[in-house]
Amino acid sequence: IAGITQAPTSQILAAGRRMTLRCTQDMRHNAMYWYRQDLGLGLRLIHYSNTAGTTGKGEVPDGYSVSRANTDDFPLTLASAVPSQTSVYFCASSDSMARMGSYNEQFFGPGTRLTVL
Amino acid sequence: KNQVEQSPQSLIILEGKNCTLQCNYTVSPFSNLRWYKQDTGRGPVSLTIMTFSENTKSNGRYTATLDADTKQSSLHITASQLSDSASYICVVSASWGKLQFGAGTQVVVTP
Repeated sequence: IAGITQAPTSQILAAGRRMTLRCTQDMRHNAMYWYRQDLGLGLRLIHYSNTAGTTGKGEVPDGYSVSRANTDDFPLTLASAVPSQTSVYFCASSDSMARMGSYNEQFFGPGTRLTVL
Repeated sequence: KNQVEQSPQSLIILEGKNCTLQCNYTVSPFSNLRWYKQDTGRGPVSLTIMTFSENTKSNGRYTATLDADTKQSSLHITASQLSDSASYICVVSASWGKLQFGAGTQVVVTP
C-alpha cells in the first residue's frame, strides 16, 4: 500500500441500512479526516481525528460516526443511511493536525461514491 | 455563503493555450492558501501551498499567485495539455487550522 486507500470504490445502498466506509493509510500520519463532496459545493469536513484514540466533529457530522482504534485506520459509519447522504466521500490524512493550519499538507484517498436510494 | 469563491465555474481551452483561474476568499485570520488538482474519479492532489508572505509559487506549468491584501489568488496554467483537464480547487486555511474549500473550477482542454 502506498498512501491512502478507501473501500469500497462505490456502493448503492437502500435507505435505512447501515454502512461503513473504510480508510487506511500507511504514511504513519497522526491526523485523519473524512470529507464529503457534493456537486457545486466544496469539500465539507464530516469528522476528524488528531491521533489514535481521539475523534472530533467537523462541519457536517450528523448521521455519521467514526472511530480511530489505531494510527492506520479511520472508518466512517452511517448508522441508518438516508438519500441526502448520497455523495462522494474522501478520506485524507496529514502528519499532524496541530499544524493543520500551517504548511501541513493533507493527502487524499481516491474516494467512495455512495448512492442511497 | 462560502468563504472561498472560485471563478469561472468551468472553462474550455485549446491545447497549448494558457488560462488563469481565480479564487477570492474572506477567511480570516489567514494562514495559507492551497491549490489542488482533482482528476475525474480521483482524490485531490496538492499543486501549491502559499503562506501570507509568499506572493507566487510555481509547480511546473502551474503558477499560483497570492495577494493577501485583496484576498485574491490565481492559478495560471501555461501551455495547457490534455492531462490538465481536471477540477482545480482553492483551499484556504485559517490560523486555527480550519480548511475552507472552494467549489472548484472545471477545466477541459480540447485538442
